[in-house]
Amino acid sequence: AQSVTQLDSHVSVSEGTPVLLRCNYSSSYSPSLFWYVQHPNKGLQLLLKYTSAATLVKGINGFEAEFKKSETSFHLTKPSAHMSDAAEYFCVVRITGGGNKLTFGTGTQLKVEL
Amino acid sequence: GAVVSQHPSWVICKSGTSVKIECRSLDFQATTMFWYRQFPKQSLMLMATSNEGSKATYEQGVEKDKFLINHASLTLSTLTVTSAHPEDSSFYICSAREFIRGRDGYTFGSGTRLTVV
Repeated sequence: AQSVTQLDSHVSVSEGTPVLLRCNYSSSYSPSLFWYVQHPNKGLQLLLKYTSAATLVKGINGFEAEFKKSETSFHLTKPSAHMSDAAEYFCVVRITGGGNKLTFGTGTQLKVEL
Repeated sequence: GAVVSQHPSWVICKSGTSVKIECRSLDFQATTMFWYRQFPKQSLMLMATSNEGSKATYEQGVEKDKFLINHASLTLSTLTVTSAHPEDSSFYICSAREFIRGRDGYTFGSGTRLTVV
């Protein structure tokens, strides 16, 4: 069964410093992986997705993620955090052959301090 | 880009009444729509998957008689919470999948905050 594990429930960084949000996946097949961001009381916005093309995926707002099969990881990074990046981030895997359902990680709350 | 409109954004209802939430794909046809429930500071839990013109498929533990899903067209799905009780209070989010002509993506609505009093 496919699943994702977000290793940190909370991450706090200073504005202008790098962001690293960690995600490991479990899948018997080549997975489709996504990162979504959710601001308070809002829906989800797609940051980026990996679907077996380039392993380094660039997304919106300066975020990127690297698919590492050897480490079963798909960590989200950004070189320089901005106050507006403070939000909840979800790592998501698509279930292959399971009606194309998405399975969400438990989320990482990113706090950006001055 | 693809847009999903979800209404209402928030609703307060009395215990025992029913509430309908609408999810519309505005500029694309959604082959599949998904309904999620999110408790405070928790992740999204899939409730059901619906395809246009067919019955919804519910996840284990979700009461299909309580959470009625109708997917009447390729652009509209509705979730009706019947005989709502305070424990049904939650944040409900819909998602629409577009899979056509090389495009494959999931777009989420902005969510509905349901409070049952």
